[in-house]
Amino acid sequence: SQQGEEDPQALSIQEGENATMNCSYKTSINNLQWYRQNSGRGLVHLILIRSNEREKHSGRLRVTLDTSKKSSSLLITASRAADTASYFCATAFTGGGNKLTFGTGTQLKVEL
Amino acid sequence: DGGITQSPKYLFRKEGQNVTLSCEQNLNHDAMYWYRQDPGQGLRLIYYSQIVNDFQKGDIAEGYSVSREKKESFPLTVTSAQKNPTAFYLCASSIQTGVNEKLFFGSGTQLSVL
Repeated sequence: SQQGEEDPQALSIQEGENATMNCSYKTSINNLQWYRQNSGRGLVHLILIRSNEREKHSGRLRVTLDTSKKSSSLLITASRAADTASYFCATAFTGGGNKLTFGTGTQLKVEL
Repeated sequence: DGGITQSPKYLFRKEGQNVTLSCEQNLNHDAMYWYRQDPGQGLRLIYYSQIVNDFQKGDIAEGYSVSREKKESFPLTVTSAQKNPTAFYLCASSIQTGVNEKLFFGSGTQLSVL
């Protein structure tokens, strides 16, 4: 399988702390995307980073990409209880067009 | 509101029965996708369509069928050949199937076997 792997599987932090999630993948990619899913709902796109980019920011989100290590990280700063959700990385593999392969996700719980 | 509508939200299938999950989008997107989500396994691609009247198998197409007769509609049929259909099914769309496109998801259909 070309599925990405997220680490950790579950993360529990206090409101105001930062949350870091990692994603590793196996083959060369065109881009890597992060999505968020609230329980029982569809996924919402957060950020896309292309293979020639190393870092990208969007609000409280910071994504890094290291293609030499085939890994990415998602940092959520100053977390809020509303950030509680599952977070998935998805990779568009070279030659695969826009078919995305999703990882298994990190369940983030932000406690008050 | 623009978006993707999946129906029904919950669906129950009897043994040997085919069931069809609806997915409609009013985003004028060319590409549409069906994913299956099992607990702890992330999303797996069932079928995708880049254009009307054309579709391709994804990683787990066996036991499923689709059609794309209209740009805005991409229904998924779970056939009796799918022996383990219980899962959360997600429909998605993107503007095109070129690289560097983000996906827009519907709110999902939970399918269970009676």
